[in-house]
Amino acid sequence: KQEVTQIPAALSVPEGENLVLNCSFTDSAIYNLQWFRQDPGKGLTSLLLIQSSQREQTSGRLNASLDKSSGRSTLYIAASQPGDSATYLCAVSQIKAAGNKLTFGGGTRVLVKP
Amino acid sequence: DGGITQSPKYLFRKEGQNVTLSCEQNLNHDAMYWYRQDPGQGLRLIYYSQIVNDFQKGDIAEGYSVSREKKESFPLTVTSAQKNPTAFYLCASSEQGANYGYTFGSGTRLTVV
Repeated sequence: KQEVTQIPAALSVPEGENLVLNCSFTDSAIYNLQWFRQDPGKGLTSLLLIQSSQREQTSGRLNASLDKSSGRSTLYIAASQPGDSATYLCAVSQIKAAGNKLTFGGGTRVLVKP
Repeated sequence: DGGITQSPKYLFRKEGQNVTLSCEQNLNHDAMYWYRQDPGQGLRLIYYSQIVNDFQKGDIAEGYSVSREKKESFPLTVTSAQKNPTAFYLCASSEQGANYGYTFGSGTRLTVV
């Protein structure tokens, strides 16, 4: 059974520092990996989608890498801002699972201090 | 703008009552999903549907029911058989096939009173 882990569970950094968020998964047979942002009491906003054949994706200050063979992905957020404070979740779509079902990690709660 | 609309935002249920959460999308996506989120836990899949008039159980389907009569709509009913229904419920959709990402709604918070 696929398990997705995000460490640390919480992270606090001063404004301007780069953020590094980790995601690991146990089964490397995935179609894709997706990073989401969730603000308190809100739904999930998709940040980046990395296909299994890709090594990284970039959008503005965000960069996500994928090492499928080692079961790891890293989300980098450059020059963090207080508005980046949120919970970040990663999720994988697994080849062995019927339908495009996602398995989620528990999330990393980020606080960027002004 | 295309997106997913969940309603209501907040819902209160009395013991023994069934309640229905609405999820509507105008993205023309074939697949739709219901997830439950509890504090300190990741999202868990309740039900999913890949096509109209067809749906499958997820990991925690007991005490829930769904229908998919229209492509745009995937309502979730929380029945009285669900022993611990207080949670945040999220609906999502995606295009058919495993190469596509999800789009989520803004969620419904259900509380048992």
